[in-house]
Amino acid sequence: AQRVTQPEKLLSVFKGAPVELKCNYSYSGSPELFWYVQYSRQRLQLLLRHISRESIKGFTADLNKGETSFHLKKPFAQEEDSAMYYCALTGNTGNQFYFGTGTSLTVIP
Amino acid sequence: ETGVTQSPTHLIKTRGQQVTLRCSSQSGHNTVSWYQQALGQGPQFIFQYYREEENGRGNFPPRFSGLQFPNYSSELNVNALELDDSALYLCASSPYPTRQQETQYFGPGTRLLVL
Repeated sequence: AQRVTQPEKLLSVFKGAPVELKCNYSYSGSPELFWYVQYSRQRLQLLLRHISRESIKGFTADLNKGETSFHLKKPFAQEEDSAMYYCALTGNTGNQFYFGTGTSLTVIP
Repeated sequence: ETGVTQSPTHLIKTRGQQVTLRCSSQSGHNTVSWYQQALGQGPQFIFQYYREEENGRGNFPPRFSGLQFPNYSSELNVNALELDDSALYLCASSPYPTRQQETQYFGPGTRLLVL
């Protein structure tokens, strides 16, 4: 069964501190991994995807196939990073999509 | 380019009734996916339509059905509503099925309450 696990429902860090949001997955194949973000009163939107190997708003995420993880990291958290973050997975054909339960990040000023 | 819209924004139904939720995709997007998001949970994939055909389905019973139209609009129909169907229903559109190159664009959602 395909599954995405985000072990932390809530995470609080101080402004300027490093932040890591954890994501583990199980998938029988080669998955594509994503991080989606939902800011207060806004729609769910794509933050980044592993295939692009990009840094968005200072966030990066590395796919570790050995540990089946795709943790989201930022070296210095900003107040505007406070949001709900969802890790997500799709398979080769892209016709199914699986979200984790989300982590609510609060950056304390 | 307009964004993804959904209607209605809120809806209240009673158990056993049927409901139709609507979504208007971004122009040029041939793929629409529907999700159910219960309170405190992540979105759960219901199904995906590509060029008016169902292209993938999650673990939802047949009473959840959909339609996609050539004008980039789509519907989610739920028959025989149950209390557990109360949730936020999201649609998301993309040019093609959500492979690595494609981004899904989400609508604001329809909040359904079943009494």
